[in-house]
Amino acid sequence: DGGITQSPKYLFRKEGQNVTLSCEQNLNHDAMYWYRQDPGQGLRLIYYSQIVNDFQKGDIAEGYSVSREKKESFPLTVTSAQKNPTAFYLCASSGRIRGQGEKLFFGSGTQLSVL
Amino acid sequence: QQQVKQSPQSLIVQKGGISIINCAYENTAFDYFPWYQQFPGKGPALLIAIRPDVSEKKEGRFTISFNKSAKQFSLHIMDSQPGDSATYFCAGINAGGTSYGKLTFGQGTILTVHP
Repeated sequence: DGGITQSPKYLFRKEGQNVTLSCEQNLNHDAMYWYRQDPGQGLRLIYYSQIVNDFQKGDIAEGYSVSREKKESFPLTVTSAQKNPTAFYLCASSGRIRGQGEKLFFGSGTQLSVL
Repeated sequence: QQQVKQSPQSLIVQKGGISIINCAYENTAFDYFPWYQQFPGKGPALLIAIRPDVSEKKEGRFTISFNKSAKQFSLHIMDSQPGDSATYFCAGINAGGTSYGKLTFGQGTILTVHP
């Protein structure tokens, strides 16, 4: 979707386990984001990064960690400290489109479930 | 946290009817209001957006109506089709003041259009 690839599409986590969700973009965007989607709650921002080697906490960062070592990649780790990790996770990037201003592009998401 | 409240949570419309989804925001600094459409198992995609200096924006069968004094905006889908069945999210952001992807999303509306 829009040059953003998330993997895997489905992921299962055992209790006490850390898992990492992959997000890669080929849109040459500087800014990347991770959102969590729960039924009836919309999308909530976990972390975002405006430039390589820098990232900021969003509204619900507890129990999550990220890295931004390359412009194309923004992996999200769901740690064992996240007690309710079951959700649909969406990665996004934003960039300026000539004549249209800045736009946000989403990947196809990863559904994380707890075993 | 400044919220965007969206209603209804779910909506059922007959083919050819008008679908109306409403949103209300609190943050008067918001200056950009996009709507996203999401199909099951996919990431959201930008559908249409409006800035508060206009009261209405139309793109094909989709129209945003904006009431700045009431801090409300709505999406109207004319001649609704079964292919419009999806989840719709409204959002708001102070586009000039922060990272673009830090949108505040509404809770989402599940639209079902019956043939």
